[in-house]
Parts: sequence; C-alpha cells; structure tokens
Amino acid sequence: GQNIDQPTEMTATEGAIVQINCTYQTSGFNGLFWYQQHAGEAPTFLSYNVLDGLEEKGRFSSFLSRSKGYSYLLLKELQMKDSASYLCAAMDSNYQLIWGAGTKLIIKP
Amino acid sequence: IAGITQAPTSQILAAGRRMTLRCTQDMRHNAMYWYRQDLGLGLRLIHYSNTAGTTGKGEVPDGYSVSRANTDDFPLTLASAVPSQTSVYFCASSGLGGGTDTQYFGPGTRLTVL
Repeated sequence: GQNIDQPTEMTATEGAIVQINCTYQTSGFNGLFWYQQHAGEAPTFLSYNVLDGLEEKGRFSSFLSRSKGYSYLLLKELQMKDSASYLCAAMDSNYQLIWGAGTKLIIKP
Repeated sequence: IAGITQAPTSQILAAGRRMTLRCTQDMRHNAMYWYRQDLGLGLRLIHYSNTAGTTGKGEVPDGYSVSRANTDDFPLTLASAVPSQTSVYFCASSGLGGGTDTQYFGPGTRLTVL
C-alpha cells in the first residue's frame, strides 16, 4: 500500500534549527511536496523535490533521497510564526498526492 | 484577488440532508480537487477533475459527487449527509491535471453533520 510517515509533533526553540523527517512508500514516484498549514487555515506550498539532493529557499530547505524513500524539511532561524503543521506529500505514478498526517511544530521562546 | 474561494465557510447540517459545497478559482487552472481533512489523518482525495468536462474518483469518493461544467467551478455534493462526513473540506487547483504542478488550496469549509 501507499504510506507516508512523519512525526506527530515536534518542539523547538525560537532562533534554533529543526529538521522534520518524512518517509514514503508509493506506487511510482513523481516528486515530494512540503506544505505549511497554520491552525484553521489552508495548506500553503513550501517546496517540491523530484531529484536527489537539497533545495534551499531562504530559511527553509528540503532534501530528498529517492533510493531511501526519505525526505526532510529543514527550518533555520526559527520564528514564532513558524508554529504550524508541516505536511509531507508524495506524488504517485497517477500524479495523485499521498499525504502524511502532518507534523505539528511548536516553537517556544 | 486571484485564488480559490469556497462557500460556505462553515455549516451545521442534519443527517440525511443534501448539501453542496462550492468552489471557484480564477487562475484558469485546468485541474481541481476536493479533499477532506480529519484529525490525525492526512488529506484524503475525494474527487478530482483534470479538465473541464471530466471527473475522477479519489481515495474516498463514496457519498460524494462532483461536476465540472466549466473551468472555474467545481462543486461537491453530499446527496444524503451522514455524521462520518463531518470534516474540513478543502478545494484545490493546479495548472495541469496529470502533472507535477503545485496544488493551491482554498480556505476550506468546516462541515458538521448531526
């Protein structure tokens, strides 16, 4: 079956760095997406990886290893506004997104 | 303002009633999607449309129907609502269906079925 695993909750300190891991199993693979979702709001796009390696975008970076079925989202210089859920989603061979349940990130001052 | 709108924002519905959730996008995206989001679960695809005039079933289509008469609108209908359909419903769109384009989400509809 198709499955996405990510931690349910993580806590980090303002100004620090946090890494949110995601492992996936899909029928075929057409890329890995990360979305941010603040409580009560819609998911918003953060990043897309289809090739192995690290993609950097400001304070956020995303990494993909296709051979390991593994991705992570790295958030640097954490700010209070980064408190949100982070959703990992893998695109299968039918170009459908398979979503993880999300990782709730709590930032403490 | 470009984007996706959904209506209503929230709704309380008696079981057995019919309900249509509305979704409109003005980005001229070809593909549109309906998801439901439940606590502790990932977003689950209900129905999708890769282009106007076509629709497809997602992971959890039972009890729901959709239509895509034009590019902009993609309504979701619950013919006879049941309590298990209590959820937050998100509409999304992407430039291309059947491709790797990013999906953009509407603000959601919070539906409670009693």
